[in-house]
Amino acid sequence: AQSVTQPDIHITVSEGASLELRCNYSYGATPYLFWYVQSPGQGLQLLLKYFSGDTLVQGIKGFEAEFKRSQSSFNLRKPSVHWSDAAEYFCAVGPSYNQGGKLIFGQGTELSVKP
Amino acid sequence: ETGVTQSPTHLIKTRGQQVTLRCSSQSGHNTVSWYQQALGQGPQFIFQYYREEENGRGNFPPRFSGLQFPNYSSELNVNALELDDSALYLCASSLDSFSYEQYFGPGTRLTVT
Repeated sequence: AQSVTQPDIHITVSEGASLELRCNYSYGATPYLFWYVQSPGQGLQLLLKYFSGDTLVQGIKGFEAEFKRSQSSFNLRKPSVHWSDAAEYFCAVGPSYNQGGKLIFGQGTELSVKP
Repeated sequence: ETGVTQSPTHLIKTRGQQVTLRCSSQSGHNTVSWYQQALGQGPQFIFQYYREEENGRGNFPPRFSGLQFPNYSSELNVNALELDDSALYLCASSLDSFSYEQYFGPGTRLTVT
């Protein structure tokens, strides 16, 4: 069965430090991969997505993610975290055939940013 | 361009009651997906509607049902509410059923007592 694992429930980083949020997926074929961010009381906002091609993808707000097929991973990175990045981050996988929109989400990683 | 809106924002119901949640999709989008997000969990796919027809369903019982209207707005209905139905219900619209570009609304927080 398809699944997404985000091993870190909660991460705290200092403002200006680098960030890496981990995501591992289980899926038979090459999936479509996504990172979403959710601020308190808000819906989900798409940060970036990977469908095919270059395995390093750039997103909004200075985020990037790297798809590593051999490790079944799609980790999210940011070189310098800002206080406004504090939020919940979700990795998601979508089937790569005629199944648009039916996403499977990980349980999320809550990011706190220290001044 | 209007984004995805959901109503109501919050709702409190009693076990056994029925509830209807509403979603207006983004302009030009004909596909709506519904997700349930329990506290501390990621969203779980409930079902998707494409041009007024159900187009896929997750692992939810039949007491979860939906509708999509000609203007592509949508409703999620839950009958015989259980305590475990307490969650944030998210609606997401997309251009069509093949598109992964989903735009989420702010959600409806349902509390069942």
